[in-house]
Amino acid sequence: KAGVTQTPRYLIKTRGQQVTLSCSPISGHRSVSWYQQTPGQGLQFLFEYFSETQRNKGNFPGRFSGRQFSNSRSEMNVSTLELGDSALYLCASTLVGGPVTDTQYFGPGTRLTVL
Amino acid sequence: KNEVEQSPQNLTAQEGEFITINCSYSVGISALHWLQQHPGGGIVSLFMLSSGKKKHGRLIATINIQEKHSSLHITASHPRDSAVYICAVSGGSNYKLTFGKGTLLTVNP
Repeated sequence: KAGVTQTPRYLIKTRGQQVTLSCSPISGHRSVSWYQQTPGQGLQFLFEYFSETQRNKGNFPGRFSGRQFSNSRSEMNVSTLELGDSALYLCASTLVGGPVTDTQYFGPGTRLTVL
Repeated sequence: KNEVEQSPQNLTAQEGEFITINCSYSVGISALHWLQQHPGGGIVSLFMLSSGKKKHGRLIATINIQEKHSSLHITASHPRDSAVYICAVSGGSNYKLTFGKGTLLTVNP
């Protein structure tokens, strides 16, 4: 079974631009979560989608948004990029089949650099 | 908001040593996760536990719900165990994880 894939793997943008990152979960997984990882703040939760609905959102400004499609693939968008948005963006997929306590499977991440 | 504290922040060991990494959290949780991240690499989930103890190969994870504390043990450590180990907790009916700052483990041959 293929793992979680994220595209692109690396991205360089300039301030003010917008960016869209994509995440394809493991086949059959219905929940996709997004995380931001920076050296200063570590890993932080961005949002989680299940069945095309955002179930929870972290403490990030409205410039960060996302969506999930009917095939469970997810995208996140960052508008009006700032230097501080430079980070590794990770998505994780979960098989939602019962209790909350399902393992999250992480993708390799997208390394975003904002110049 | 749940606060997740890990200790130590950095750990250097000699090959073969027994290693313990600790994690404490402030609010009740539904599950605690131990994750491994190699330099420049992605994240791998090692354990997810809500009670008791789990073992996988040379890795053992324990959790004490009453004390809000978990430990990750590595027996007979090996240089390939060198990585950042991250503790994360999830609560409620969603999949939001709150992470600790991580423990950088270096195992020297």
